[in-house]
Amino acid sequence: EVQLVESGGGLVKPGGSLRLSCAASGFTFNSYSMNWVRQAPGKGLEWVSSISSGNNHYIYYADSVKGRFTISRDNAKSSLYLQMNSLRADDTAVYFCARGIGDILNWFDPWGQGTLVTVSS
Amino acid sequence: DIVMTQSPDSLAVSLGERATIKCKSSQSVLYSSNNRNYLAWYQQKPGQPPKLLIYWASTRESGVPERFSGSGSGTDFTLTISSLQAEDVAVYYCQQYYTTLFTFGPGTKVDIK
Repeated sequence: EVQLVESGGGLVKPGGSLRLSCAASGFTFNSYSMNWVRQAPGKGLEWVSSISSGNNHYIYYADSVKGRFTISRDNAKSSLYLQMNSLRADDTAVYFCARGIGDILNWFDPWGQGTLVTVSS
Repeated sequence: DIVMTQSPDSLAVSLGERATIKCKSSQSVLYSSNNRNYLAWYQQKPGQPPKLLIYWASTRESGVPERFSGSGSGTDFTLTISSLQAEDVAVYYCQQYYTTLFTFGPGTKVDIK
């Protein structure tokens, strides 16, 4: 069974940092692109970042997080990461990791259950 | 960026009746080289992550009930639930994957009338 499990969320002060992890299982991790999508409380879905499959990691960010967030992956550990720096109140959201079907231009399936990040003083 | 819009924001439909959700992209998501529309639909129930329903605008994901169908091309798309069931109460999102700046529609909430 394909499974994605996020961790690392929590309460952090504005300007602080947090590192999210996504543990993948049930599929050949290095063959798929991976993505982070967030959802602010009561709001819609916002794509955050994507990283391509294989060893040549093409990386993309939403303008709202560019320069502050860093996506990475460890294929040996079947894990996806999101390093979040200079956090702001409007980064408060549930962060989902999602598998991409194919290299980069693809839909997301499945999604993890998400991890909540709260940025507040 | 490609901006996705959806209509209506919400709708209430009687059990067994048809529900129709529209999605519009600010530019075409039809890739001419393969004649595919880079458009997906997701369903999100309260407290759950989104679930893929439709990709390539009209291809139903495995295991998704046949009452869900997608149509449209270019910039205008439709998700239809042919006979609404109680378990279909959810928010539905469209998403374009034509560019690497992926974007989602704002969502349409579907309730029972």
